[in-house]
Amino acid sequence: AQSVTQLDSQVPVFEEAPVELRCNYSSSVSVYLFWYVQYPNQGLQLLLKYLSGSTLVKGINGFEAEFNKSQTSFHLRKPSVHISDTAEYFCAVSSYNFNKFYFGSGTKLNVKP
Amino acid sequence: DSGVTQTPKHLITATGQRVTLRCSPRSGDLSVYWYQQSLDQGLQFLIQYYNGEERAKGNILERFSAQQFPDLHSELNLSSLELGDSALYFCASSVEGLGGASSYNEQFFGPGTRLTVL
Repeated sequence: AQSVTQLDSQVPVFEEAPVELRCNYSSSVSVYLFWYVQYPNQGLQLLLKYLSGSTLVKGINGFEAEFNKSQTSFHLRKPSVHISDTAEYFCAVSSYNFNKFYFGSGTKLNVKP
Repeated sequence: DSGVTQTPKHLITATGQRVTLRCSPRSGDLSVYWYQQSLDQGLQFLIQYYNGEERAKGNILERFSAQQFPDLHSELNLSSLELGDSALYFCASSVEGLGGASSYNEQFFGPGTRLTVL
């Protein structure tokens, strides 16, 4: 079985500052990893994904994440955040055939002016 | 706009009642997934259908059931509702792959149905 842990439930940060949202996973098999963003009153939108290959993955809106197999982590980073990045971010792990997605509890990013 | 539609947007009902949530996938997508997002449980995968057949099951209660019709829309039926069933229910769709990185197909999420059980 797979599981995902997002240690930070809320992350406040000032505009133009860098941010890192942490995600750790556990799995007995190979997994695929994802970050989704949920803006207020909206559904989830895929930010980026790791399926194979380069461990540094670039996504939309300037976000990137690095897959670290030894530390079972997939932290999300952005070098300079904007007010519009205020949203809730979910890390997710999927089984090999993408039948089941397991989501973390979410991290609310609050970007302050 | 993801192309996935869900109706209704909001639903308020009483304990013990039964409701049906509807999802229309993106054109061409054969798979439909249902998720429940609640404050205490977070975002949980409930069930997946592929081309009319159940493909995978997650944390779905026995009081809940789903189906996918020949036109590929899906319905999630929630019965004997309890206060704790109040949540946001999301539907997602994708073109099903056979597994493996080369066949990955993104899940596109609908805007959700907010269910309030009083």
